[in-house]
Parts: sequence; C-alpha cells; structure tokens
Amino acid sequence: AQSVTQPDIHITVSEGASLELRCNYSYGATPYLFWYVQSPGQGLQLLLKYFSGDTLVQGIKGFEAEFKRSQSSFNLRKPSVHWSDAAEYFCAVGFSSNTGKLIFGQGTTLQVKP
Amino acid sequence: EADIYQTPRYLVIGTGKKITLECSQTMGHDKMYWYQQDPGMELHLIHYSYGVNSTEKGDLSSESTVSRIRTEHFPLTLESARPSHTSQYLCASSGGSATNEKLFFGSGTQLSVL
Repeated sequence: AQSVTQPDIHITVSEGASLELRCNYSYGATPYLFWYVQSPGQGLQLLLKYFSGDTLVQGIKGFEAEFKRSQSSFNLRKPSVHWSDAAEYFCAVGFSSNTGKLIFGQGTTLQVKP
Repeated sequence: EADIYQTPRYLVIGTGKKITLECSQTMGHDKMYWYQQDPGMELHLIHYSYGVNSTEKGDLSSESTVSRIRTEHFPLTLESARPSHTSQYLCASSGGSATNEKLFFGSGTQLSVL
C-alpha cells in the first residue's frame, strides 16, 4: 500500500540556520511528490512538486526539494530559515499528475527560535 | 490567492444534529475534494468529485455524504453528528493542464461535536 512517512514530528531551528525536513514514501509506480505548508488557521499552500525531470526542484519562499529514487525520499530544504517559516509542513504522494487525490504524511511542525 | 471558500470556519454542535459544511470555488475547477485531518495527524481523502453529478468515496471511510449539483459548490453533510466526527475538514479543488495540475485548499472547518 502507498504511504508517506515524515519521521520528524517536531523540529526547532534557529532563525538563519539551514533546514531539512525528511520525507520517505512507499509507492510502486513513478511517484508524483508534493510539499505543502499549513500556517495556523490557514489552508494548505503548495511549496513545490516533482512530476518528472530534474530531481532537484525549486519552490516558493526559497524552498527546494530533492527526489532520490534509490532512497525513496523527497526531503525539503531551505538554506536560511526565517521566523515566518514556522508552520506545519506536509509531504504528499499523488497517483498521477492530473488529480488532487493525495496521500499525506503526518506532518512536521517547524518552530523557529529567534 | 486561491478562490476556494469554506464555511463555517468553526462549528460546535451537539450529538445527533444534522450539519452541512459548505465549500465553494470560483475557479471553474471540475475536480473537488474533501480531506479530513485529526489533530497532529495526516490528511485523509474522504470524498472527491470529478464533475457535476459525480461523487466518489475516498480512501478513508466516512459517514458523511457529499453532493455536486453545481460545478462551484461541493457541500459535505453529516446526518447525525457524533463526537467521533470531531475533526478538521478541508475542501480542495484542482485545475490546470494535464501535466501541471494544481491543488488549492480552503481554510478548513474545525468541527467539534459535544
């Protein structure tokens, strides 16, 4: 069965420090991979997605993610975290490129220290 | 900005009441979705629709029902609410090209059943 695992439930980093949020997936076919961010009281916003091609994907707000098929991973990174990045981050797997039927991970809550 | 709206934002009701959660989008998207999110947990797809008069159940079994009479409107109904229905309900719609579909989320309805 398809699944998404985000091993880190909660991460705290200092403002200006680098960030990496882990995501591992289990999916038999070519995955369509997504990262979403959810701020308190808000809906989910798409940060970036991978459908095919270059395995290093650039997203909004300075985020990037790298697809590693051999490790079944799609980790999210940011070189320098801002206080406004504090939020919950969700990794998700899709069945195809033209549907919103996604399987989500449990989420990682990011806290940013001044 | 995503033009997808959910009302009410918060709802506290007693057991046995019938409720309808509203979701509307003004983007003309054919595909719409309902996700359920328990606190600290992943989102689970409970219903989706690929167009008017088309509704399907998602991966997570739900006692709720949906209807799609108009393209822009995708309400979710609970005939008799129970405390186990307490959760956040997120509506989404998707559109775009076949290889560049984007999923837009509403801000969610936080439902508490006493």
